[in-house]
Amino acid sequence: NAGVIQTPRHKVTGKGQEATLWCEPISGHSAVFWYRQTIVQGLEFLTYFRNQAPIDDSGMPKERFSAQMPNQSHSTLKIQSTQPQDSAVYLCASSPDWGWEQYFGPGTRLTVL
Amino acid sequence: DAKTTQPDSMESTEGETVHLPCSHATISGNEYIYWYRQVPLQGPEYVTHGLQQNTTNSMAFLAIASDRKSSTLILTHVSLRDAAVYHCILRVDAGTGSKLSFGKGAKLTVSP
Repeated sequence: NAGVIQTPRHKVTGKGQEATLWCEPISGHSAVFWYRQTIVQGLEFLTYFRNQAPIDDSGMPKERFSAQMPNQSHSTLKIQSTQPQDSAVYLCASSPDWGWEQYFGPGTRLTVL
Repeated sequence: DAKTTQPDSMESTEGETVHLPCSHATISGNEYIYWYRQVPLQGPEYVTHGLQQNTTNSMAFLAIASDRKSSTLILTHVSLRDAAVYHCILRVDAGTGSKLSFGKGAKLTVSP
């Protein structure tokens, strides 16, 4: 079991560029979560899929952020027109059906210059 | 979800037993107590959870006060690998629909 896989581990973009982050959940897990983490804000929920369907995107900034889960094996988080305040570690987690715990990937560190 | 309060940091030495306190005075009856830990450059790792009864697993023992207004995560025979930031959080729903949110947590330092 390779755990949750996130790519790339590090990404640097210029202000206004697009960034796409990838997540491969643990095989068989039905739920996928996206979070971002900063020293100032701590861990912030962004969005959640269950069985590939979007369930809750209440944490997503509405204008520039979007997430998809086209199949069971991966999810993407896309940030358009990146801004310096988007710099953070973006974490993906997956959870088995009605599981108590979420299994996190190592995160993607996004730096917007 | 109700708020939790933890010390900013704690120190220990390898082989010791560590008690990490968490205060949650406004906890609701349907809120579960969860503990996660995180080391630098890695995502958070689930440690344990409980509702009312004390629980134990391979990682830790969770002691929950009878009035549920506080809990203590007990780590026995700590090693250098237990050095991490420990987060105590409350969740209403233990199912997959419940999102996580935590702040600074308590940084545990383990000395050789």
